[in-house]
This record gives sequence, C-alpha cells and structure tokens, in this order.
Amino acid sequence: DTGVSQDPRHKITKRGQNVTFRCDPISEHNRLYWYRQTLGQGPEFLTYFQNEAQLEKSRLLSDRFSAERPKGSFSTLEIQRTEQGDSAMYLCASSLEGGSYEQYFGPGTRLTVT
Amino acid sequence: GEDVEQSLFLSVREGDSSVINCTYTDSSSTYLYWYKQEPGAGLQLLTYIFSNMDMKQDQRLTVLLNKKDKHLSLRIADTQTGDSAIYFCAESIGALTFGSGTRLQVQP
Repeated sequence: DTGVSQDPRHKITKRGQNVTFRCDPISEHNRLYWYRQTLGQGPEFLTYFQNEAQLEKSRLLSDRFSAERPKGSFSTLEIQRTEQGDSAMYLCASSLEGGSYEQYFGPGTRLTVT
Repeated sequence: GEDVEQSLFLSVREGDSSVINCTYTDSSSTYLYWYKQEPGAGLQLLTYIFSNMDMKQDQRLTVLLNKKDKHLSLRIADTQTGDSAIYFCAESIGALTFGSGTRLQVQP
C-alpha cells in the first residue's frame, strides 16, 4: 500500500509534555499538509510544505506547534508543552503540485492530553 | 473570509437517492471536493469538480455546482447502507477549507 501513513496512530500524554508525530506522504507527492480535527468538526488547516519549504501556516497555529520536512519526504509535527485543548485527531495529507491538487489523507494520529 | 456550510444530518432509505448540499464563500476557489469519513477512519476523496464546470458524474455520484450562488451538491444514486458516513465538502486555494460535515444515515 503506497498511501499516506502516519505514526503513531494513538498518543496519550500528560499535560505539559512534548509530542512528535510523523507523516510519510505518497512517494511522488511534493506537497504535504497538516490538519487538525476535533469531534463534530471538519478538519482545520495547520500548515503545508512544498518539497522542504514550509509555504503557509495557519494564523491559528500556536507557537507551541512546529513542523518540519527536512528532505522533502516525510514530515514531523511537534507540539511542545501540550494542553488539554490540543486533544484532537491530527491528519496529514499529500498532493502533487498542479492539476487538480487532490489531497489524499492518512489515517490520522489521535492525541489525548490528560 | 472563507466559510463552508453544510447541513448536519440526512436520513434516507436504502435504494433512494441522497442529496447533500454545501455553500461556500470564496469565489476564487479553483476546485471543490467531496470527502467521505467513516467512524474512526481518515478522509477518503470521493470526487472533485473544477470551478468552470457545472456538473460532473462519476458512477453513482453526481456533483452539481452553481457558481453564481456558490452552491455545491453531491447526489448519491441508489444509496446503500455502506454509504452511511460523514460527508465533507471542501474548497481549495492551496489548503483545503472544510465544512462541518453532513452525517448520512441510510435506513435498510
């Protein structure tokens, strides 16, 4: 299966701890996106990369959040000093630049902050 | 600003057609998308339409776009119990902006 993969699938952490999630996009896709989804809501955009360049960050994104895509392949999303409000599903998607920009999503990482 | 709105819930009988509606605000959106999400799963891309089209058909799915009214709809013909899920419309100028989703319940 060459779809988008995310690791871990579930993470439980205590408030104040740092967490890091990983996303591996579809191999030929040069764009990678991070979204957050809370219960009963649609996904909310966080940030995206084209190759290794971070092109856009949501103005809603706290400075406790940082994302990297060092070699233009996989990406990591780190949340520092987690808060209970960070509990959500973190979704990664990838696409090709150009054409219809269809984004294909991974299964997500569910974060629970206790 | 960007805002995508959908009705929250739709219930249909198996074999009937389902129509899920969506309104969006950003007229510069180039593509509009429909995604399906089953419980505990990620989002599955169902179909998309380019903003200069007004209709697209893909097997049991028909997408209608009224660009003047910024209204998008997804029609599912011969709805099956396996179609029960949450359906999201999304507009794109780069990142996707999603609606809150419409929960489709299919009664046997």
